Amino acid sequence: GAGVSQSPSNKVTEKGKDVELRCDPISGHTALYWYRQSLGQGLEFLIYFQGNSAPDKSGLPSDRFSAERTGGSVSTLTIQRTQQEDSAVYLCASSFSGFTGELFFGEGSRLTVL
Amino acid sequence: GQQLNQSPQSMFIQEGEDVSMNCTSSSIFNTWLWYKQDPGEGPVLLIALYKAGELTSNGRLTAQFGITRKDSFLNISASIPSDVGIYFCAGQLSGGGADGLTFGKGTHLIIQP
Repeated sequence: GAGVSQSPSNKVTEKGKDVELRCDPISGHTALYWYRQSLGQGLEFLIYFQGNSAPDKSGLPSDRFSAERTGGSVSTLTIQRTQQEDSAVYLCASSFSGFTGELFFGEGSRLTVL
Repeated sequence: GQQLNQSPQSMFIQEGEDVSMNCTSSSIFNTWLWYKQDPGEGPVLLIALYKAGELTSNGRLTAQFGITRKDSFLNISASIPSDVGIYFCAGQLSGGGADGLTFGKGTHLIIQP
């Protein structure tokens, strides 16, 4: 499709397990962002990629969170040893350049940690 | 980093009413943007403003880039049920990148039948 694709759309896991969330940005978009959104709340910035490099990791809440982007395209957000407070919707967005603020968001991955 | 103050936090209105929401900041931005998030979906860009004083319309939506570059408002005229959702303002600095883009906390719009 032409939009940002995220998978899985829903993930239920047990506390302590690792999870991987995937983002497929729009082709040709160099900038990629990950945000976290708790129920009905605002957008919490996690990490930003320009190409394959992550110049801004300042939003990652703990060292259990990591992300990578390969080939300037697909990105994976990994959460190790999940905790209940990690339950949220994880939104990925891409942008043509990262300089305009014009982001295209995916539908999100809803993570529930039991 | 920069902070945006978005208000109101929520609005309960009747169908057909006009809606107004705004964002203010202590910092100057080069671009102001307004996004809407429908339940269960990601935010979608509604309007982007690039020049101080710019007034832009998109159907029933009108947004303005404040002359001081520190604020913006969004108006929705004659609200309809599908306007329900969360509206986010965002400010972008010219440097780009994630620390150049700041989102407000959102305005929840609820339309009462």
